[in-house]
Amino acid sequence: SQTIHQWPATLVQPVGSPLSLECTVEGTSNPNLYWYRQAAGRGLQLLFYSVGIGQISSEVPQNLSASRPQDRQFILSSKKLLLSDSGFYLCAWIRRSYNEQFFGPGTRLTVL
Amino acid sequence: GDSVTQMEGPVTLSEEAFLTINCTYTATGYPSLFWYVQYPGEGLQLLLKATKADDKGSNKGFEATYRKETTSFHLEKGSVQVSDSAVYFCALRDTGFQKLVFGTGTRLLVSP
Repeated sequence: SQTIHQWPATLVQPVGSPLSLECTVEGTSNPNLYWYRQAAGRGLQLLFYSVGIGQISSEVPQNLSASRPQDRQFILSSKKLLLSDSGFYLCAWIRRSYNEQFFGPGTRLTVL
Repeated sequence: GDSVTQMEGPVTLSEEAFLTINCTYTATGYPSLFWYVQYPGEGLQLLLKATKADDKGSNKGFEATYRKETTSFHLEKGSVQVSDSAVYFCALRDTGFQKLVFGTGTRLLVSP
């Protein structure tokens, strides 16, 4: 069966510090991968998606970036965090030709 | 572009009450429609889905019917429980890349 992992689960970082959130998928190959952000009291915003290794598409311009160094690994990064980067970050994957998108447990990021 | 509109929350109900959460969408073509549920502190789980007009998705007592003529996918449950308290997201999947477009979410609070 397939599982998706995210870490860390929670993170508190000062403004201006770097960020690295990791997402890995097990039990499948060549998935589409996604990063979403859920800000307090708001819906889900798609940040990045990837159809393969090294292929990243950005949905919203901001100070975040994403990378996919391996088939089942998706990393969200920032060089300098802003207060507005606080939120709940969700990684998701979908198997091509299937309808369902599976979500990881999320990382709660607080920038102080 | 594609979009999903959900009713504002929170929705506050007593146990065993009838639930309706409205969802309408705007999309080109014939998207697949989904309801996801997010319990406190967790990621999103697929609740139900429908892939074509007049399809009815159902799971755990929840139902939603894909209404093409009204571009709607309202979520209903005949008798809610305290354990149904969560945030519910309506979403559509575009016919191209398989990105999900989410509504802003509706928080449901069920009291005993």
